Amino acid sequence: DGGITQSPKYLFRKEGQNVTLSCEQNLNHDAMYWYRQDPGQGLRLIYYSQIVNDFQKGDIAEGYSVSREKKESFPLTVTSAQKNPTAFYLCASSIVGGSNNEQFFGPGTRLTVL
Amino acid sequence: KNEVEQSPQNLTAQEGEFITINCSYSVGISALHWLQQHPGGGIVSLFMLSSGKKKHGRLIATINIQEKHSSLHITASHPRDSAVYICAVSSTASKLTFGTGTRLQVTL
Repeated sequence: DGGITQSPKYLFRKEGQNVTLSCEQNLNHDAMYWYRQDPGQGLRLIYYSQIVNDFQKGDIAEGYSVSREKKESFPLTVTSAQKNPTAFYLCASSIVGGSNNEQFFGPGTRLTVL
Repeated sequence: KNEVEQSPQNLTAQEGEFITINCSYSVGISALHWLQQHPGGGIVSLFMLSSGKKKHGRLIATINIQEKHSSLHITASHPRDSAVYICAVSSTASKLTFGTGTRLQVTL
């Protein structure tokens, strides 16, 4: 089955530690996205990538880093510089081109920093 | 003011009721998306529309481009429809802007 996988579903880390969230897709999509979801707020874009080895900052990129070494994979690292990292993180992918931007979402990772 | 506003924020209905969730936006768009997020957190795309009306089963989505407004209707609601419904708009080819969601609870 084609889709997007994120692992792990729940993640706990101590304050000051970097943590990497995994996102893999087998939809053959060129574009991938990372969003953060907080209670009472809409999804906010952290980073996105439209092609391998290239990515752009979204609206809230500070304290995060990404890489796009393979088309299928777009890992997100939450660094110790992120002031409030506890949140629900969603990965998505889409085709590139066209103006409608239908995105397919993964199941999400809930990160809790203790 | 957010670019995408949804109402109501929370909605409780009894099984069988007709439900309407509204979305207004303030930017030019190429498409509007309705998404469903279940308690586990995963998000599923329900509709993508740029004009008129779309129907899928008991779900109907409409959009009025001139008024910058869309509605999501659920007919004959069922407890399994309980979820958060999110409106999002495409204003560029690479970005979606999301509303804060409407939490729907359908009771027996």
